Amino acid sequence: EPEVTQTPSHQVTQMGQEVILRCVPISNHLYFYWYRQILGQKVEFLVSFYNNEISEKSEIFDDQFSVERPDGSNFTLKIRSTKLEDSAMYFCASSRTEMNTEAFFGQGTRLTVV
Amino acid sequence: RKEVEQDPGPFNVPEGATVAFNCTYSNSASQSFFWYRQDCRKEPKLLMSVYSSGNEDGRFTAQLNRASQYISLLIRDSKLSDSATYLCVVNMNYGGSQGNLIFGKGTKLSVKP
Repeated sequence: EPEVTQTPSHQVTQMGQEVILRCVPISNHLYFYWYRQILGQKVEFLVSFYNNEISEKSEIFDDQFSVERPDGSNFTLKIRSTKLEDSAMYFCASSRTEMNTEAFFGQGTRLTVV
Repeated sequence: RKEVEQDPGPFNVPEGATVAFNCTYSNSASQSFFWYRQDCRKEPKLLMSVYSSGNEDGRFTAQLNRASQYISLLIRDSKLSDSATYLCVVNMNYGGSQGNLIFGKGTKLSVKP
């Protein structure tokens, strides 16, 4: 069964450092998303990406965040200068079409900022 | 005002019990509705979509009341493997938006032998 894969599964970084979280969406999917979940809290939307550009972003997704699809398979989330409050589980998701909003989630990357 | 609100839980039930979860959403423009399941420290996984006519998938029944902005999930004959957090999810899916998913905080279910 096709799945969304994320690497690494766990990343520890020092405050102020840049991190890149990587995702390989399901191959025939066209829409890509990043969500985050701070421990004990709800899953929150960060950004959606379609046709090589951001289609929607939340208030959380400020100038410190960026996304990129550097090749035909990878989808990355970059945090330029990490803060303690960026510590969370980051989930990548993909979906096939706009109307099919069934999003398939990757297993997540746990980011710990120290 | 919270966009998606759920029963706080946790729900602790014996095997075989029937359990119901409720959810309300604040934005009447919401278009699509789902129940996701999330195991501890795992990713959310779609359990079922929710339609106005109500829909059933085995032991699971979901209902939507657009007028009351209310969504429910009923689990019959609960199994130990049903233990998880159940997330009520709403999708705006309007205009040019790809429809980001808006999650409730979830209701934790623990099924005991």
